[in-house]
Amino acid sequence: EPEVTQTPSHQVTQMGQEVILRCVPISNHLYFYWYRQILGQKVEFLVSFYNNEISEKSEIFDDQFSVERPDGSNFTLKIRSTKLEDSAMYFCASSEGAFENIQYFGAGTRLSVL
Amino acid sequence: AQSVTQLGSHVSVSEGALVLLRCNYSSSVPPYLFWYVQYPNQGLQLLLKYTSAATLVKGINGFEAEFKKSETSFHLTKPSAHMSDAAEYFCAVSEVGAQKLVFGQGTRLTINP
Repeated sequence: EPEVTQTPSHQVTQMGQEVILRCVPISNHLYFYWYRQILGQKVEFLVSFYNNEISEKSEIFDDQFSVERPDGSNFTLKIRSTKLEDSAMYFCASSEGAFENIQYFGAGTRLSVL
Repeated sequence: AQSVTQLGSHVSVSEGALVLLRCNYSSSVPPYLFWYVQYPNQGLQLLLKYTSAATLVKGINGFEAEFKKSETSFHLTKPSAHMSDAAEYFCAVSEVGAQKLVFGQGTRLTINP
């Protein structure tokens, strides 16, 4: 069964460093998403991406964040200068279309900012 | 703004007992509703979805949920709990035509032998 793949499973970084989280969405999907879950809190939407541009973003997704689809398979989330409060589990998701919006999630990347 | 409330951050039931996980949403129009399950060290897996067809929705692993517009609820049930059902369960909602999912805070289900 097709699945969303995220790498790495755990990323440790120093405050102020840049990190790139990687995702390989399901191959025939056209919509891509990033969510995060701070420990003990809700899963929160960050951004959605379609046709090589951001289609929706939350207030959390400020100038420190960027997304990119550098080739036909990868979808990345970059945090330019990490802060302690960026420590969270980051989930990538993809969906075939916007109709019914059935999103399939990866296993997540745990980001620890020290 | 859309919001989702899951009553009970932790639910514990005995093996073979009924599982009931509660979810209420706020929306002026019927949205799309989802239940996801997260097993330890795994991603979010779709259990079932409501997208304005039948109000009683059947999902995987024997789970089902009923959409009740009058109560703005979408509670998840399973008649007989199994040890393998132990996981975290998330209710989520999206407005028709919108892309983002809004999640509840999750309910951790524990099954007692």
